[in-house]
Amino acid sequence: GEDVEQSLFLSVREGDSSVINCTYTDSSSTYLYWYKQEPGAGLQLLTYIFSNMDMKQDQRLTVLLNKKDKHLSLRIADTQTGDSAIYFCAGVSGSARQLTFGSGTQLTVLP
Amino acid sequence: EAQVTQNPRYLITVTGKKLTVTCSQNMNHEYMSWYRQDPGLGLRQIYYSMNVEVTDKGDVPEGYKVSRKEKRNFPLILESPSPNQTSLYFCASSYDSGSPLHFGNGTRLTVT
Repeated sequence: GEDVEQSLFLSVREGDSSVINCTYTDSSSTYLYWYKQEPGAGLQLLTYIFSNMDMKQDQRLTVLLNKKDKHLSLRIADTQTGDSAIYFCAGVSGSARQLTFGSGTQLTVLP
Repeated sequence: EAQVTQNPRYLITVTGKKLTVTCSQNMNHEYMSWYRQDPGLGLRQIYYSMNVEVTDKGDVPEGYKVSRKEKRNFPLILESPSPNQTSLYFCASSYDSGSPLHFGNGTRLTVT
């Protein structure tokens, strides 16, 4: 099955860039996803990347995929206090082809 | 508005008192799933359902039951809750098992 790993915490200054990293084991996932969880809320789909792409940019968000190293990253440019949240990466794995989530990275944006 | 609705949002109960957390989606999704979220452990899947009358165990099914009698509803049942089931629970649905999941806002359960 899929094993998805993330570091638990990241702190950045407002205005700086944030980079959240994720490693995964199952390379058969067609899509890889990033979800955002704000305090007291459920997870919201933030962005995703198709497995045959190396990079996807969506406004302040850049997703990089290194298939050789099975490494996924999410870069947030000009990080704002509203970006403070938990970020989860997820990929599809297993015989039932379900989403498997990492443990989540708590991003704290300092003024 | 497309959404996944869980109820209640907060629940405090005592050990052994049966409870049900409801989940309903209005997107005609075939796939539904329950997760619990605990600090440092991320999301762990409890049960999932590929379609009506089809349910399967996830990673942490012990102490939980589910049913999928209708496409839109997927209730989570704790027959005899214990303190180690104190957690934040999320219901989610998607078009199929590999599609992006839509999450409810969560149910915070405390078992004393």
